[in-house]
Amino acid sequence: EAQVTQNPRYLITVTGKKLTVTCSQNMNHEYMSWYRQDPGLGLRQIYYSMNVEVTDKGDVPEGYKVSRKEKRNFPLILESPSPNQTSLYFCASSSGLGGTTQYFGPGTRLLVL
Amino acid sequence: DAKTTQPPSMDCAEGRAANLPCNHSTISGNEYVYWYRQIHSQGPQYIIHGLKNNETNEMASLIITEDRKSSTLILPHATLRDTAVYYCIFQGAGGTSYGKLTFGQGTILTVHP
Repeated sequence: EAQVTQNPRYLITVTGKKLTVTCSQNMNHEYMSWYRQDPGLGLRQIYYSMNVEVTDKGDVPEGYKVSRKEKRNFPLILESPSPNQTSLYFCASSSGLGGTTQYFGPGTRLLVL
Repeated sequence: DAKTTQPPSMDCAEGRAANLPCNHSTISGNEYVYWYRQIHSQGPQYIIHGLKNNETNEMASLIITEDRKSSTLILPHATLRDTAVYYCIFQGAGGTSYGKLTFGQGTILTVHP
């Protein structure tokens, strides 16, 4: 089954403790992206990747890092999480841009204390 | 930044057509209009997309004005399960920022019996 998976689905952590949220897709998609969603603010893009080793900032990249060493994986790294990074995170992938659809993962709910 | 404007909320009676408008006056000639929806806090789900011509699939129809500055998503026979937040975005096929996507606030569609 074609899908985007994220792990963990739920995470409670404390300020400053490094964490990684994994994202994996099994559709051989070139494009992958991370979003965060907060009440009243909608979905905001954090980072995106056009292909392996090619990443770029979205609208809210501060406090986050990403890497794209393999086509299927696009982990989101929070080196020193803070409470303002408490949010619902979505990973998405697509086969390209323009005329192709994005497939979203189920989401990761993060609480930073 | 690519921006769209949508009404914050709309109501629709079950079985009737739901017409959701979107303004995208800054859209460029090679940018596609996409519609997604999000039910509760699940990952957004693709509905339909188009470039210039009107489009129809099993879920909905998309009407794009001739100047491409606005579009309307039509759910022909809304059901209670169509209650969701609907997002209109546009995505380019090339250029320097074609990977960067901006979701607006979306329209909360409530379908009532």
